[in-house]
Amino acid sequence: EVQLVQSGAEVKKPGESLKISCKGSGYSFTSYWIAWVRQMPGKGLEWMGIISPGDSDTRYSPSFQGHVTISVDKSINTAYLQWSSLEASDTAMFYCAKFRSPGTLSVFDFWGQGTLVTVSS
Amino acid sequence: DIQMTQSPATLSASIGDRVTITCRASQDISPWLAWYQQKPGKAPNLLIYRASSLEIGVPSRFSGSGSGTEFTLTISSLQPDDFATYYCQHYNSHPLTFGGGTKVEIK
Repeated sequence: EVQLVQSGAEVKKPGESLKISCKGSGYSFTSYWIAWVRQMPGKGLEWMGIISPGDSDTRYSPSFQGHVTISVDKSINTAYLQWSSLEASDTAMFYCAKFRSPGTLSVFDFWGQGTLVTVSS
Repeated sequence: DIQMTQSPATLSASIGDRVTITCRASQDISPWLAWYQQKPGKAPNLLIYRASSLEIGVPSRFSGSGSGTEFTLTISSLQPDDFATYYCQHYNSHPLTFGGGTKVEIK
């Protein structure tokens, strides 16, 4: 069974750093790009970027470039999303999702359960 | 970047109604258009891919159509389980973008 299991909810202060995770199982982790998607409270879905677990090739949405870092540890089938200095506006639910087709852009067929990040002083 | 514009933002409908949601792309993306359903507190769920292909397990009352820059999602007879928010998304090129969403509410 394909699963993407994300790390738990986080409460952080502005200026703090954070790294959240997304562990894949039940499929060939290195063959399918992983995406990160933001959903701010009461708002829509925003595509942040993608990473190829096989070679760590990473693409960012211009809206998120420079503010977050996407990485992967293929030895443990886990993708990461990290911030070096959080802002209150980073408060949101973050989802990881895998592409259906190997090595190419396609639809998202499996999603993680989401990680809620709250940034507040 | 390709912009995706959905309409309406909110739709009030009754059980049994035929519902249509529109998604417009700022450039030709055929056929790389998907539709997702999202319920409160849950991750999105894929309904339609390649503009008109129904995902396995999705009820046949859902259908997608369109080409070029204009696409539609139709629910032929709205059921209680269908009250949710629907998003279109293109996967033609980087960056992938979602439409703003359409919330389907009970009338």
